[in-house]
Order: sequence, then structure tokens, then C-alpha cells
Amino acid sequence: AQSVTQLGSHVSVSEGALVLLRCNYSSSVPPYLFWYVQYPNQGLQLLLKYTSAATLVKGINGFEAEFKKSETSFHLTKPSAHMSDAAEYFCAVRLFGNEKLTFGTGTRLTIIP
Amino acid sequence: GAVVSQHPSRVICKSGTSVKIECRSLDFQATTMFWYRQFPKKSLMLMATSNEGSKATYEQGVEKDKFLINHASLTLSTLTVTSAHPEDSSFYICSASSQGATDTQYFGPGTRLTVL
Repeated sequence: AQSVTQLGSHVSVSEGALVLLRCNYSSSVPPYLFWYVQYPNQGLQLLLKYTSAATLVKGINGFEAEFKKSETSFHLTKPSAHMSDAAEYFCAVRLFGNEKLTFGTGTRLTIIP
Repeated sequence: GAVVSQHPSRVICKSGTSVKIECRSLDFQATTMFWYRQFPKKSLMLMATSNEGSKATYEQGVEKDKFLINHASLTLSTLTVTSAHPEDSSFYICSASSQGATDTQYFGPGTRLTVL
């Protein structure tokens, strides 16, 4: 079975500062990993995904994530936070050949002006 | 591309009535659609997976007679909450994938259901 753990249910950063949202996964086989963003009362929007190609994945809105097998991590980063980045972020894992996404518990990102 | 819509966005109903929520893939054919439920300040819980023309596969603990799912076409899936009760109040989100269920899932904007 696969699972993801998101460390920190709430993260606050100043506008212009580095954003780092942590995600660790557990999987018996190489996983596919995803980051989604959810704005209030909206569905989820795909930020980026790792599907066993390049370990550094670039997504939309300036976000990127690096797959580190040795650390079983897939942390999400953005060099400079913008007010519009305030949202809930979900890390998710899926195994190759398996249709089900397993989500982490989410991290609420607050941007301080 | 890869736009998924849901209708309605919000619905309020009385206890004991049934509510239908539609999920549509607007610019692609969705061979597989998923229905999730999200409780306040919580993550998404997969309720069921549906493939076009087939019966839905429900997750353990989800009442299939209460949450009826129909996936009659490659662009439309519906979730009907039958005999709704206040504990069914939640945010329901659908997602859709093309080229098989293992493709990327694209999510709809969600439906807020409130049962009085």
C-alpha cells in the first residue's frame, strides 16, 4: 500500500520568501507523485507530477519539486512567494498501473504581506 | 485543455430528499471518473471509481445504495445522494482521466452539499 505524509498542516511565509512544503511517501514500488493546489471552495488544480522521468519537475506558477528516492521525499518549492499562492496544497501518490490516488492531509499556505 | 465541470456548485436540500450532481469533461473523453468527498479542513476521500458503461467500484465503507453513480457517456458521470441526511453534508469533488485510469486525474470545482 502507498501513503504520503505532509509535514506541517500550516505553513506561513513572507511575500517574496522561499516556499517549502514537505511531502514524504511510502511505497513498495516506484511511485508516481503529484502536487495539487486547492483554492477556497474550489476543486484541485494540478501543479506538477513526477512519472519516473526527470527527478526535478517544474510545474505551473513557478513551483517545482524534486523526487529524492533515498529520502522518499517529493518536497514542493517556489523561490519567491506571491500573495496569490495562499491556498491548500495536497501531495498525492499513485502506483504504476494503479488508478487510485492517495492524498496527504494537506498543507495550508499563508503568505504574510 | 483538460477541463472538468460540476453542476451544481452549491445545493441545499431537505433531509430525506435526493440530490444529483453532474460531472462533465468538457474537452476530452473521460474513460474513468472518480468521486471524492472532502470533509472540512480534511483531505479527499475516494468514494468510488467509474468507467464508462460499467458499474462503479465503491471504496470500502461507502454505501453504494446511498451514493448512486452513473457513467453513461465518455463525458458525463453523475452522483446521486439518495435520501440525504445532515451527515451527508460535505464537499463532493469529481475527477476524470483519459487514456485509461492511470492517466493524470483532472478535478472539477466541487459541489457543496448542505442537507437541512
